[in-house]
Amino acid sequence: DVVMTQSPVSLPVTLGQPASISCISSRSLVNSDGNTYLNWFQQRPGQSPRRLIYKVSKRDSGVPDRFSGSGSGTDFTLKISRVEAEDVGVYYCMQDTHWPWTFGQGTKVEIK
Amino acid sequence: EMQLVESGGGLVLPGGSLSLSCVASGFTSNRYWMHWVRQAPGKGPEWVANIKQDGSEKYYVDSVKGRFTISRDNAKNSLYLQMNSLRADDTAVYYCAIVNRGDSTDVWGQGTTVTVSS
Repeated sequence: DVVMTQSPVSLPVTLGQPASISCISSRSLVNSDGNTYLNWFQQRPGQSPRRLIYKVSKRDSGVPDRFSGSGSGTDFTLKISRVEAEDVGVYYCMQDTHWPWTFGQGTKVEIK
Repeated sequence: EMQLVESGGGLVLPGGSLSLSCVASGFTSNRYWMHWVRQAPGKGPEWVANIKQDGSEKYYVDSVKGRFTISRDNAKNSLYLQMNSLRADDTAVYYCAIVNRGDSTDVWGQGTTVTVSS
């Protein structure tokens, strides 16, 4: 199975400041169709996961533009340009190139 | 509005069985692959199984192969997960989801809790 490794595990951030989460996969996520299926999910306390980013950098409907994704191959990053109070939660990278699809262990974003 | 609602969770003895259901509303589910994803207490999500639009392809994570069966009834806009030979490590919140790889379709249910314990 593809192992997804996120860092940091915990990310205290000041409101209005940027935040960045890294995700490294154990093998390339480039699919045979040429696409890279790397996603970012947000899970707020007590809620179901919600996808923010798909195919590395495409924002899902309704996702604020302060969220952005980048990367290629095995190395990916989620950036929040200015953290807001509603961004508190756990963020997971997830790959759906290789079955079984796998998640990272999560990064907990909290306000300082 | 696209919605998914799961049901069928509960407390079951080790070795027992449970059947989960998920009903879609606000859209026609037969356009999409559908998925079961679980999340053990305090852990990250784990993809369990998925099924193609017409049911012709199904995939399972190794830990549930031979014990869990995913199925769907498009006439009822419903997805199912039959879980047999349940173990303590199957304890989790089970989510029904539609997550398209290629476009901005991402819908999750609220989850149903399965507890396997004596």
